[in-house]
Amino acid sequence: AQSVTQLGSHVSVSEGALVLLRCNYSSSVPPYLFWYVQYPNQGLQLLLKYTSAATLVKGINDFEAEFKKSETSFHLTKPSAHMSDAAEYFCAVSSSNTGKLIFGQGTTLQVKP
Amino acid sequence: AAGVIQSPRHLIKEKRETATLKCYPIPRHDTVYWYQQGPGQDPQFLISFYEKMQSDKGSIPDRFSAQQFSDYHSELNMSSLELGDSALYFCASSFAGLEGAAYEQYFGPGTRLTVT
Repeated sequence: AQSVTQLGSHVSVSEGALVLLRCNYSSSVPPYLFWYVQYPNQGLQLLLKYTSAATLVKGINDFEAEFKKSETSFHLTKPSAHMSDAAEYFCAVSSSNTGKLIFGQGTTLQVKP
Repeated sequence: AAGVIQSPRHLIKEKRETATLKCYPIPRHDTVYWYQQGPGQDPQFLISFYEKMQSDKGSIPDRFSAQQFSDYHSELNMSSLELGDSALYFCASSFAGLEGAAYEQYFGPGTRLTVT
């Protein structure tokens, strides 16, 4: 069975500071991994995905994530936080059979001025 | 670019009533997924369809049913509604036929169902 654990339900950073959101996965097969962002009362927007190609994945809005098999991690980073980055972030793993997404519990990112 | 369309965006029903949620995938996408997101929760997979056939099933109550039609749109039918069914229901679509698409799913804005 596949699962995702996001460490830290709330992360607070200052504007301009580094953003680090942690995600660890469990999968018996090579996983597909995703990060989604959700703004209040909106749908989920794909930030980036890992598909077994490059281990360092670049996404939209300067976000990136590194797949580390030895650590079973897929942490999301951004060099400099903007106020507009404040949102809920979900890490997800995909079943290789049908593509259904299994989400982590989510991390709320707060950006302080 | 065209996105996933869901209707209605908001729905208020009473207990024991029925509700139908509709999803129109991105053109040429052949797979539709339904997810339920309770307040403060992560989205939970309900059911998916590939080329109009059910491809996977998650924690979907027996009171719920869904199908994908010939034009690839999908409907989620919910009967005997309970208070606990109040949630945001997302539809997502993807194109499974393309090698390397990695099941990249595009989400609709969701339907907020409130059961009173």
